[in-house]
Amino acid sequence: RKEVEQDPGPFNVPEGATVAFNCTYSNSASQSFFWYRQDCRKEPKLLMSVYSSGNEDGRFTAQLNRASQYISLLIRDSKLSDSATYLCVVKGQNTGKLIFGQGTTLQVKP
Amino acid sequence: DGGITQSPKYLFRKEGQNVTLSCEQNLNHDAMYWYRQDPGQGLRLIYYSQIVNDFQKGDIAEGYSVSREKKESFPLTVTSAQKNPTAFYLCASRDPGSPQGTQYFGPGTRLTVL
Repeated sequence: RKEVEQDPGPFNVPEGATVAFNCTYSNSASQSFFWYRQDCRKEPKLLMSVYSSGNEDGRFTAQLNRASQYISLLIRDSKLSDSATYLCVVKGQNTGKLIFGQGTTLQVKP
Repeated sequence: DGGITQSPKYLFRKEGQNVTLSCEQNLNHDAMYWYRQDPGQGLRLIYYSQIVNDFQKGDIAEGYSVSREKKESFPLTVTSAQKNPTAFYLCASRDPGSPQGTQYFGPGTRLTVL
């Protein structure tokens, strides 16, 4: 079983749609959680950290469920520019090592 | 202009050759990381360094070597012992001011073995 699992998609949605991605992680001792965005052939860029109480940044909302060991990302009012791969990332203890999911690809269509 | 730079952007290598990928940061970060990304896969950790003159193997260190002689620099050598070196290589550094341990990435080097 992979340490961090995501549905690779692709998710094809029309502009203005709401779309949600889920991610599960296997290590219950994981400390920190992130969503990164990666455009085609570019480096990953931090989208947002994920906090236990849930957090929102504009059209993006992240949730963490420690009991079920999953993380979610909700994107409201999708824009064409949201088309990218979204990486679920979990940080282990002590070393600062990040464990990456394989990514979920989102295509927003006009 | 602060950030992480990697060079070259594209690199072609013949089988049997060693190559060194550059990673430089002027963010004054102590911890630096090297990852490899293959198509359709997540990033995998090759080596990391939490402080100058110290580094540890990651999950896929075989066929790679690193050095950390300066805080700003963390070069990665891909040796001829690496069986499948063609990949996208990403260097990152960790923000010490982030309680979550956020890492920021350089633009990457695409290595192709011919």
